[in-house]
Amino acid sequence: EAQVTQNPRYLITVTGKKLTVTCSQNMNHEYMSWYRQDPGLGLRQIYYSMNVEVTDKGDVPEGYKVSRKEKRNFPLILESPSPNQTSLYFCASSLVPRGVMGEQYFGPGTRLTVT
Amino acid sequence: GQQVMQIPQYQHVQEGEDFTTYCNSSTTLSNIQWYKQRPGGHPVFLIQLVKSGEVKKQKRLTFQFGEAKKNSSLHITATQTTDVGTYFCAGQRSFQKLVFGTGTRLLVSP
Repeated sequence: EAQVTQNPRYLITVTGKKLTVTCSQNMNHEYMSWYRQDPGLGLRQIYYSMNVEVTDKGDVPEGYKVSRKEKRNFPLILESPSPNQTSLYFCASSLVPRGVMGEQYFGPGTRLTVT
Repeated sequence: GQQVMQIPQYQHVQEGEDFTTYCNSSTTLSNIQWYKQRPGGHPVFLIQLVKSGEVKKQKRLTFQFGEAKKNSSLHITATQTTDVGTYFCAGQRSFQKLVFGTGTRLLVSP
């Protein structure tokens, strides 16, 4: 089954404790991205990756890191989480045929609370 | 900051009434996509519009892309309780950049 998986689904942590949210897709998509969803603000892009070892900042990258060592995986790293990073996080992947962004396949989401 | 705005932010309708959400970009878009997110779920792709002035229909849903490729709309005819959720547009501003709108939350009362 074609899917995007994220782990963990729920996480409560404390300020400053490094954490990683994993994302994996089995569709051989070259494009992967991370979004955070906050009430009234919609989905805001954190980072995206066009292919292995190619990553770039989205609209709200501060406080986050990513890596793309393999095509299927795109982990999101919070080196020193702060309460303003409490949010619902989604990973997504897609093809980009001839430069046109294809259908985004979203993971189930990770609800993060930083106290 | 957010460059794709959606209105209204929230709408509550009675089952059977029509519903429309509008998406407006400050810049020209190469194409636009629409997604639906059910409560507690993740966004799910509905459709993509590429051409200026394009209109597409999916059963009770009608999607339009403006002539200037800066705005779009989603219209639902005769809403049903299964239409409940948040509807997002997402515009491609440039190569590799997809910007999501702020979303319109739809509530349908039976």
